[in-house]
Amino acid sequence: AQTVTQSQPEMSVQEAETVTLSCTYDTSESNYYLFWYKQPPSRQMILVIRQEAYKQQNATENRFSVNFQKAAKSFSLKISDSQLGDTAMYFCAFGTSGTYKYIFGTGTRLKVLA
Amino acid sequence: EPEVTQTPSHQVTQMGQEVILRCVPISNHLYFYWYRQILGQKVEFLVSFYNNEISEKSEIFDDQFSVERPDGSNFTLKIRSTKLEDSAMYFCASSATGTNYEQYFGPGTRLTVT
Repeated sequence: AQTVTQSQPEMSVQEAETVTLSCTYDTSESNYYLFWYKQPPSRQMILVIRQEAYKQQNATENRFSVNFQKAAKSFSLKISDSQLGDTAMYFCAFGTSGTYKYIFGTGTRLKVLA
Repeated sequence: EPEVTQTPSHQVTQMGQEVILRCVPISNHLYFYWYRQILGQKVEFLVSFYNNEISEKSEIFDDQFSVERPDGSNFTLKIRSTKLEDSAMYFCASSATGTNYEQYFGPGTRLTVT
């Protein structure tokens, strides 16, 4: 069975500092995709970053980057220069070719402190 | 920027009643999804829909559930006879293409069954 695990239910970080959110997954598939979604309070989930498993280079989007360790089945999200607007629930998600569904982790609630 | 919208934001219903949750996907998207999140648990895939038929469904999506695209803009999830355990946040999503393309999520409908 494919699973996604986020072991940090809550985290906090000071404004302007760097924080890393952890995600591990389990699959026997070789072709898959990984995503980080952000859900601000009372707002919809928006895609932060995505990583294709066949790409060795870690994805980067502005202040957001991932550390993708395929052998370890680890997909962590690093947020640099944290801003108050980064306060949100962050979900790690997984999808494979040939299926439409995403498999989500339980989420990490991140609070950025002024 | 186009968004997925959902109505209502909160629905309270009595056990045994039928509910219809409504979603307006992004206009040029072809694939539509429903997910749910029971409080404190993972976001779970329910169903995907393409070309006016279900393309994939989970074991959660039993005969009590149905989906429909009644016109060119709406996508609905019907629960025929609600149970207490149906209480959850229900998220609609859409994507331009199928597997492994970014899914855009709506803000969710909180369903409370009493």
